[in-house]
Amino acid sequence: DSGVTQTPKHLITATGQRVTLRCSPRSGDLSVYWYQQSLDQGLQFLIQYYNGEERAKGNILERFSAQQFPDLHSELNLSSLELGDSALYFCASSPTGARAGELFFGEGSRLTVL
Amino acid sequence: AQSVTQLGSHVSVSEGALVLLRCNYSSSVPPYLFWYVQYPNQGLQLLLKYTSAATLVKGINGFEAEFKKSETSFHLTKPSAHMSDAAEYFCAVSEIGMRFGAGTRLTVKP
Repeated sequence: DSGVTQTPKHLITATGQRVTLRCSPRSGDLSVYWYQQSLDQGLQFLIQYYNGEERAKGNILERFSAQQFPDLHSELNLSSLELGDSALYFCASSPTGARAGELFFGEGSRLTVL
Repeated sequence: AQSVTQLGSHVSVSEGALVLLRCNYSSSVPPYLFWYVQYPNQGLQLLLKYTSAATLVKGINGFEAEFKKSETSFHLTKPSAHMSDAAEYFCAVSEIGMRFGAGTRLTVKP
């Protein structure tokens, strides 16, 4: 158990819809990362937050957005969903200090868009 | 931007044989490098990391990796494969966002 919790584990929805994925980081970790994993694209970095502030942006589509709340949990919002958005979405958290940069991953949220 | 390239999307070894998974990085300065493992239906788990303290890094489950600046490589090895090592392995470089390679699927034959 990594200590990172993601909900829901599975989600099936239709094209054009909007979904929200939730992530609770490990206790004490200030950084949260979001990744998308698919067979054709591999593991793609989407976005990183540090203590509530956006720290870095990767290949995140404009239809996607995220935020990190004061209690450090994070949400990834996916809107106007397309078939190609079907993927496994991972959240990871990272500590500061000597172990900075080490990512602890949740078990992922599997999104299926029909 | 820094990146890593994993050579071979699929590696198959016999149980007890040497495991060698290849990773090359592109960076003009020594980066922080990582190996992660992903078991089926699970998230990624850190195996080991290189932070310039020592070129030979030992990780969990008997894995180790050697940083070679002259070859810009950070290959992952294990002397004797076990069935439980079957998984997908990712090399990663620490930059803003942690960039992962495409992954290498390791199969271990009995």
